[in-house]
Amino acid sequence: QKEVEQNSGPLSVPEGAIASLNCTYSDRGSQSFFWYRQYSGKSPELIMFIYSNGDKEDGRFTAQLNKASQYVSLLIRDSQPSDSATYLCAVIRNSGNTPLVFGKGTRLSVIA
Amino acid sequence: DAGVIQSPRHEVTEMGQEVTLRCKPISGHNSLFWYRQTMMRGLELLIYFNNNVPIDDSGMPEDRFSAKMPNASFSTLKIQPSEPRDSAVYFCASTAQSITDTQYFGPGTRLTVL
Repeated sequence: QKEVEQNSGPLSVPEGAIASLNCTYSDRGSQSFFWYRQYSGKSPELIMFIYSNGDKEDGRFTAQLNKASQYVSLLIRDSQPSDSATYLCAVIRNSGNTPLVFGKGTRLSVIA
Repeated sequence: DAGVIQSPRHEVTEMGQEVTLRCKPISGHNSLFWYRQTMMRGLELLIYFNNNVPIDDSGMPEDRFSAKMPNASFSTLKIQPSEPRDSAVYFCASTAQSITDTQYFGPGTRLTVL
């Protein structure tokens, strides 16, 4: 099992819909979880971070964490064409070699 | 305020040559990270420094790669000798304190090794 797994997409949603991006991780002891957005040809930028089980909301974005299921998700409400990008899930691990591992990302396309 | 600065933005070199990538973190930030991004492997953490000291280099692929941070405002990633499989975008990022803080990425260096 890969350390951090994401569906590569593309995930296509119509403008105004809810986009749901998912991420699973293998290290049960992981404590910190991040979502980064990366536009094509640009560098990643932080969208949200979450440390505790449950939901965390910031504007149109909601991060959800379920440590028992080793699952973290990002919901984007009222999706806009400007949300079209690749979304990277990142996990800080408590064990293993590399302390910070990124998923390969999910490409989101919001259709106007 | 200036963000993370990387140079060069693009580098094309021939196999066997030495490549040096440079990074200036955000002023006042205490941690610096080097990443490599490829389509096949995604974004990989190579090494990170805290207060100029290397903390974890487990992501450095092999001895051809080395990184230094001689002071709080400058770091280098060197590849010697370079190989075609090193072709990637290399990002530098910095955080205010530690690995759990928000990472601010530089624009990246696109390296092509022929």
